[in-house]
Amino acid sequence: GAVVSQHPSRVICKSGTSVKIECRSLDFQATTMFWYRQFPKQSLMLMATSNEGSKATYEQGVEKDKFLINHASLTLSTLTVTSAHPEDSSFYICSAVGGDGYTFGSGTRLTVV
Amino acid sequence: GQNIDQPTEMTATEGAIVQINCTYQTSGFNGLFWYQQHAGEAPTFLSYNVLDGLEEKGRFSSFLSRSKGYSYLLLKELQMKDSASYLCAGNAGNMLTFGGGTRLMVKP
Repeated sequence: GAVVSQHPSRVICKSGTSVKIECRSLDFQATTMFWYRQFPKQSLMLMATSNEGSKATYEQGVEKDKFLINHASLTLSTLTVTSAHPEDSSFYICSAVGGDGYTFGSGTRLTVV
Repeated sequence: GQNIDQPTEMTATEGAIVQINCTYQTSGFNGLFWYQQHAGEAPTFLSYNVLDGLEEKGRFSSFLSRSKGYSYLLLKELQMKDSASYLCAGNAGNMLTFGGGTRLMVKP
């Protein structure tokens, strides 16, 4: 079945630094990838839609200059959290259309200290 | 726009049956997904309903009524490992919008 590989699974960074999260579709091409954020005991909130070869579409309230998305190939999308702050600590998950519809990465737990 | 509602928490007993409801108001609605999510893990696919009616898959069944904007997930013969969050998500275009999730606690 379709697999989306997401790395890293956990990252701790200092406030003010940047963190890059990668999502790769391993056995299918993903023209579109979605990036979600999930705070504890809450559901997934869509941050942005990443389209290969074009600019990402951000949801209302998500700062595009803070959450940089690059989708340079049909199998790789990256999310960079720039100048991270403790309030950015969250669980970030990507997904792509494939397999049973939407295949999710394994998620990245970001902790900003 | 999209609005998806489901109960926040439910508790059930091992071996019992539980029904988790989900109501939605979605423009351009294609279908409805149910996902299971254990704490700290990514969601895993359970079902996708496009047509009205009940779809059964082992211990899990999912129902959809497009005219009522209503779906439910039915879990039979509950096991302790079924304790998790269950997310319903509306599909419109190529996007998913998630409900708040229902945390199910299965007790012995």
